[in-house]
Amino acid sequence: GNSVTQMEGPVTLSEEAFLTINCTYTATGYPSLFWYVQYPGEGLQLLLKATKADDKGSNKGFEATYRKETTSFHLEKGSVQVSDSAVYFCALSAYLIQGAQKLVFGQGTRLTINP
Amino acid sequence: NAGVMQNPRHLVRRRGQEARLRCSPMKGHSHVYWYRQLPEEGLKFMVYLQKENIIDESGMPKERFSAEFPKEGPSILRIQQVVRGDSAAYFCASSPPVGGGNEKLFFGSGTQLSVL
Repeated sequence: GNSVTQMEGPVTLSEEAFLTINCTYTATGYPSLFWYVQYPGEGLQLLLKATKADDKGSNKGFEATYRKETTSFHLEKGSVQVSDSAVYFCALSAYLIQGAQKLVFGQGTRLTINP
Repeated sequence: NAGVMQNPRHLVRRRGQEARLRCSPMKGHSHVYWYRQLPEEGLKFMVYLQKENIIDESGMPKERFSAEFPKEGPSILRIQQVVRGDSAAYFCASSPPVGGGNEKLFFGSGTQLSVL
């Protein structure tokens, strides 16, 4: 079946540190891959996505590359800020049915950035 | 344009009571999804609805849970005779009508259900 496994948290870093949050997946077919972010008290927001192998999604300084050979979609940022503190979810789109998505999420990684 | 609105934000119920969770999708969105997040776990798909139709309910427990998305008004997730194991955050998401695929999902802030 389809599943997503994320690096366990919580992760605590100092401001300007380099960030990597690992994400691997198992899927049938060729899913799209996503990173969502959840800030305290808010809903999930799409951070970035990649729809095919070797695609790189990027947004707000975050990047992730769709690696089919390693079934991974690791999230990276070169220099984190306190405002990046949030919970990050890796997800895959299991199918499209009637034009819509069905997402399978990882368990989430809580990130805290200290000044 | 208001985002996806869920209410209430927090809902407390005693075992055996009913819980009703509401979700108003973004304006113009005709697809609604419900997800559940148990403590320390990721979001799990429950059900996908279009107006007046349930398209995929493969993630819904077979008993006590139901969902609707009427022609007028919000989508409702209903849990009858709640048990402690139903305590979780319930998220609603919506997306626009069919386009080229990979429509972006917009999530609400969730309803935190606590069963005493």
